[in-house]
Parts: sequence; structure tokens; C-alpha cells
Amino acid sequence: KAGVTQTPRYLIKTRGQQVTLSCSPISGHRSVSWYQQTPGQGLQFLFEYFSETQRNKGNFPGRFSGRQFSNSRSEMNVSTLELGDSALYLCASSLDGGAGTGELFFGEGSRLTVL
Amino acid sequence: AQSVTQPDIHITVSEGASLELRCNYSYGATPYLFWYVQSPGQGLQLLLKYFSGDTLVQGIKGFEAEFKRSQSSFNLRKPSVHWSDAAEYFCAVGALSNTGKLIFGQGTTLQVKP
Repeated sequence: KAGVTQTPRYLIKTRGQQVTLSCSPISGHRSVSWYQQTPGQGLQFLFEYFSETQRNKGNFPGRFSGRQFSNSRSEMNVSTLELGDSALYLCASSLDGGAGTGELFFGEGSRLTVL
Repeated sequence: AQSVTQPDIHITVSEGASLELRCNYSYGATPYLFWYVQSPGQGLQLLLKYFSGDTLVQGIKGFEAEFKRSQSSFNLRKPSVHWSDAAEYFCAVGALSNTGKLIFGQGTTLQVKP
């Protein structure tokens, strides 16, 4: 069974640009969550999508957005990039968002560097 | 406020020695508790989880953890550490109602001396 796939793995952007990251969940998983990991703030929850609907949201500005497609694949977008957005962005999939099984399966992440 | 505290930022142990990583949580709802491990450049891998029942849970790679409600703790243990266990370990808490969201501790970096 293939794991969670995130693309691209690495990318470099400049301030003011926007970026889109992609996540393909494990087959059959309907929930996709996104996390930001930085040395200073650690792992922080961005949002969760289930059946194409945002079901849960963390405390991030509106520049961070996401969506989920009918095949459960998800994208997140960051607009007007700031230096502080440099981070490892992790996607996690689960059958139901963890409500039942409680287990999130993480991808290897997309490392974003903002110059 | 919901939070997870891992008091030890770095721990160094000798190969073959025992290991205990500490985790304390503060969570209003009935918590689901997890330990994840992250190797450099990798995502997070689940070691074990606690939902209910037996407070001593067994995980992969020979790890176990004990839930102590009275102490709000969920410490991770391993009787004999291997060099391949060197990584960063994260304790996390979630809740049935908070779908997709885990609150993570700051992590403990484990170094293993030969």
C-alpha cells in the first residue's frame, strides 16, 4: 500500500510569491491534514479536509489556504510569502481524521525556503 | 489551554542502555495520546498510541509507554537502545472531537553513543 505522497519535496521561493503544495493520501483515506514544522514553533496544525470540506482549522492567517478534490488529494496554498513561512510542510492522511482510529499517517514533507 | 510538554530537549544514552522520554499533557477532553518518531529529512512515524484501556501500551521497535492520568503523563520507554533509534521523538495529544488535529510537544532529540 503506497504511503502519503507529497510534492514537491523541496522548493525555493522569494518573498511575495505564492506556492502550492500537493498531497496524495493513502488509498481509501478521506481525511487530509496539514502541518507546519519549524525549529522555533515546532509542529503546528494548519487545517484538515474531509470529503472536500474543511472540517477543522488551526490558527494561521488567511494567506494559508487549502482544498481537497473528489479523489481525496489535497493542495495547500500560501500567498504573499514571508520569510517566516520557510518550513517543512507535512501532510497526514487518515480514514476519518483520527476521530475513530486516531492514527495519522504522515508524508515526508515539502521543504519550503523563502528568500 | 491545551498543551504538551517534553521537558528534555536533548538526551544522550549509550547503546544498550535503557531509555525514558518524558511527556506531560494538559487537555480538557479525554485525550488520545501518541508518540511519533522523525528521522532527519523524513516525515513522522507512529510508534504507539493510547486511547483507553490498559495504561501500558506496546508499540513498534520495542517501545512502550505508560499512561498515568493522575500525573498527566505519557512517558516513552525502551529497555535497550540501538544506534538506529537516534532520531527526534514527539509526544502528541488529540481528541475525538478535534479531527485531524494533534497538539505536539517540542520534541526530544535522542543521541545514541556507541
